[in-house]
Amino acid sequence: DAMVIQNPRYQVTQFGKPVTLSCSQTLNHNVMYWYQQKSSQAPKLLFHYYDKDFNNEADTPDNFQSRRPNTSFCFLDIRSPGLGDAAMYLCATSAGQGVIKNIQYFGAGTRLSVL
Amino acid sequence: AQSVTQLDSHVSVSEGTPVLLRCNYSSSYSPSLFWYVQHPNKGLQLLLKYTSAATLVKGINGFEAEFKKSETSFHLTKPSAHMSDAAEYFCVVSGLTSGTYKYIFGTGTRLKVLA
Repeated sequence: DAMVIQNPRYQVTQFGKPVTLSCSQTLNHNVMYWYQQKSSQAPKLLFHYYDKDFNNEADTPDNFQSRRPNTSFCFLDIRSPGLGDAAMYLCATSAGQGVIKNIQYFGAGTRLSVL
Repeated sequence: AQSVTQLDSHVSVSEGTPVLLRCNYSSSYSPSLFWYVQHPNKGLQLLLKYTSAATLVKGINGFEAEFKKSETSFHLTKPSAHMSDAAEYFCVVSGLTSGTYKYIFGTGTRLKVLA
């Protein structure tokens, strides 16, 4: 089945130690999104890629970076995780064009803990 | 500007009784509206979508929602709750920003199903 896959499902890192979260998709979608979701809150968009074009949200801290080496993969890099970065990180994709252009499909998420 | 308001942060129902989760939206043009469900430590699963076709939308797992333009509402219903329906539900409106469709999330409604 076509899907959005996030690895790992659970990630533990130390305060200040860089960490990378991974997302891959088999939907061949143009757009990939990264969200941060803290407990009992709605997801918050960090940034997205439309093809190779990177779009950062205005309030996303510089500590968060992203890479999209090809259509299928997108990475979230946290350069120096703080305790406040502990959260669920969700990857989503959308076609960006066509009839279903604006429907987002989500991965299962990566739960990040910072010690 | 678009926005969405979920009127109840928590809803409790008994198993076998109807479910009603309320959502109101604000949009300057014909909106695309979605309901997603999120089980604990999981990603978001699309329940149903409204994209200017039929106003009564049927989704997965017996859920449906009715788009009412005059009331600016998109309430989610299910005739008979099941224990497995216990989860967080998000109402979402999609908006076009700088060439990309982004989601505006409601604050979520936590559904509790009592045995």
